[in-house]
This record gives sequence, structure tokens and C-alpha cells, in this order.
Amino acid sequence: DIQMTQSPSSLSASVGDRVTITCRASQGIRNDLNWYQQKPGKAPKRLIYAASSLESGVPSRFSGSGSGTEFTLTISSLQPEDFATYYCLQHNSYPGTFGQGTKVEIQ
Amino acid sequence: EVQLLESGGGLVQPGGSLRLSCAASGFTFSSYAMSWVRQAPGKGLEWVSAIIGSGGSTYYADSVKGRFTISRDNSKNTLYLQMNSLRAEDTAVYYCRTEVYCSGGRCDYWGQGTLVTVSS
Repeated sequence: DIQMTQSPSSLSASVGDRVTITCRASQGIRNDLNWYQQKPGKAPKRLIYAASSLESGVPSRFSGSGSGTEFTLTISSLQPEDFATYYCLQHNSYPGTFGQGTKVEIQ
Repeated sequence: EVQLLESGGGLVQPGGSLRLSCAASGFTFSSYAMSWVRQAPGKGLEWVSAIIGSGGSTYYADSVKGRFTISRDNSKNTLYLQMNSLRAEDTAVYYCRTEVYCSGGRCDYWGQGTLVTVSS
């Protein structure tokens, strides 16, 4: 099974900061990776699919990059509504695997 | 509009069974794979199981293999998760999820979740 290692597990940042979250796959997964944002009590919301494609309606301050085993989610200028938990998901092969999550908190 | 509506959650004793359902609408159900994802209280997301559109192939996380069975009834547009030999660590909100073709590619849909609590 493919393991996804996500880092950091949490971070504190201020409005306007640039934030980067990383996921590493235990083996190559091409670009079969999604990024999700989850707020308390809500279902996850997909932000990025195919590693770097921005979901319709998602602000352009969110971007994804990477291929193979290393992937990055970047928020170019953190906004108050971006404080949430973020997850990567590999869907290259079954079983799918989520990263452990990154909680983005207000500094 | 695509909608996924889970039901069947509740309180069950360790070792017990429960069947979750996910009623789908707004898309051609039989054409798409469906999956279950869970989230234990205060924890991260965990992929649980998936089934292809025809129902001919199923996949499971190691943590549930041999205890959970995913199935679907394409005539009823409904996905199921039969959960047997439940353990305390199966306590979680269970979401059903799918990706369907939409303008611009494939859109990702989740239900609102149903809570399963395994406790004596």
C-alpha cells in the first residue's frame, strides 16, 4: 500500500503569510493527488486535483505542484477563512491514502 | 445537482453490526465508482473502501478488511457499507464520496456524514 507522509502536522501563521504544506508518497503516484480543506463539522472540500489543477471557484491564492513522490500545497497570502485543516489524498492505486493532515492556526 | 445522503449510523456495542446507506441522486450512479471515508473524533481522514460502478470490484483498507463489506444497488442508486465485528476504533463519522464528470473535468462530491459510535 502507498503511504502518504504530510508535513507539518500543524502550523501557526498570520493573515497575509505564505504557507506551504508537503506530502510525500512512499512510491511514485504520477500526479494522482488531491488536496482538501476541512473545517470543523464539515465534509472536506477539494481545492486541487491532479496535483496542480485548481478546483472551480477556489481562490487563486491556492496552488499545487509536484509529481511522482513529492507534492506541495501553497497558500500565497493566508486569509482569515483559510484557517482550517488540510489533507492530501493519493488515488493512484487502491487503497487510497490520506496524509495525516495539517492544521493551520492563527498566530 | 449531485446529492449524497448517508444514513444508518448510530450507537452499537463492540462486536455488533451496522449497515450504512448512501442514497445518490443527480448523476448516473451505475457509471461511477463510490467510496467510503471515515473520520474518528478529533482525528484525520481515513479511506475505508471503494467499489467500481458495476460493483464487480471492491477495495478495502487493511483496518477493515474481512469485517466490512461494500456493495451497491444500481437499481436503487444506493451505496452500502455492512460493518461487522465492530470495535471501539471504528467510532467515526462515515462519509460517502464520488467523483463524476462535470464541466471542466471531474467534480468531487461528499455526503454530510453519518456518525457511528461503538461503545458498551
